[in-house]
Amino acid sequence: GAVVSQHPSWVICKSGTSVKIECRSLDFQATTMFWYRQFPKQSLMLMATSNEGSKATYEQGVEKDKFLINHASLTLSTLTVTSAHPEDSSFYICSARDLAGNSYEQYFGPGTRLTVT
Amino acid sequence: GNSVTQMEGPVTLSEEAFLTINCTYTATGYPSLFWYVQYPGEGLQLLLKATKADDKGSNKGFEATYRKETTSFHLEKGSVQVSDSAVYFCAYSGYNSGGSNYKLTFGKGTLLTVNP
Repeated sequence: GAVVSQHPSWVICKSGTSVKIECRSLDFQATTMFWYRQFPKQSLMLMATSNEGSKATYEQGVEKDKFLINHASLTLSTLTVTSAHPEDSSFYICSARDLAGNSYEQYFGPGTRLTVT
Repeated sequence: GNSVTQMEGPVTLSEEAFLTINCTYTATGYPSLFWYVQYPGEGLQLLLKATKADDKGSNKGFEATYRKETTSFHLEKGSVQVSDSAVYFCAYSGYNSGGSNYKLTFGKGTLLTVNP
């Protein structure tokens, strides 16, 4: 149980275009999902916390107008990278917290590799 | 502020060697502690966890004990295998100064390579 999927697993886009990444909890409901960014050989950096039915909470230094987050249901959150630039190329990982489970545990998706050319 | 400090790698071992990856944390209150593993090209998988002092988390031969007196959660395995090659992240979850509860704070990760 507790499976989180991401789609797509990788994407290449041109500079200036927008890309949407989906994060789904497949077998549980998640009121809270988290979006992370990981640079090569570095740790995960929390970008934002996404709560179902409300606005996302962004970490300091993360542009909310550039990284649009929508958490429309208890099983789906989306991250849209708007007007992407090469510096946005990164590995994006989402996680979800089980509504019915332990409050501390997060289940991670497999990640989406974004390359902006 | 709250933080996690883990041993910097890379760590290279021969198969069947003993592994220790140190992790210490700075946090207020009583955080839960985790070790996550990331295999090449994949997302993170929870390896083990401990939610209170003196708890020992264990999985797949890995162990870590929550030591509140030393604020540590060192990862150990008695005999590593080639398939253990991955990046290991120490993390804690708890209230933080940012005001958002239950966020995970990660260490920088330690790359482990096990040679046959």
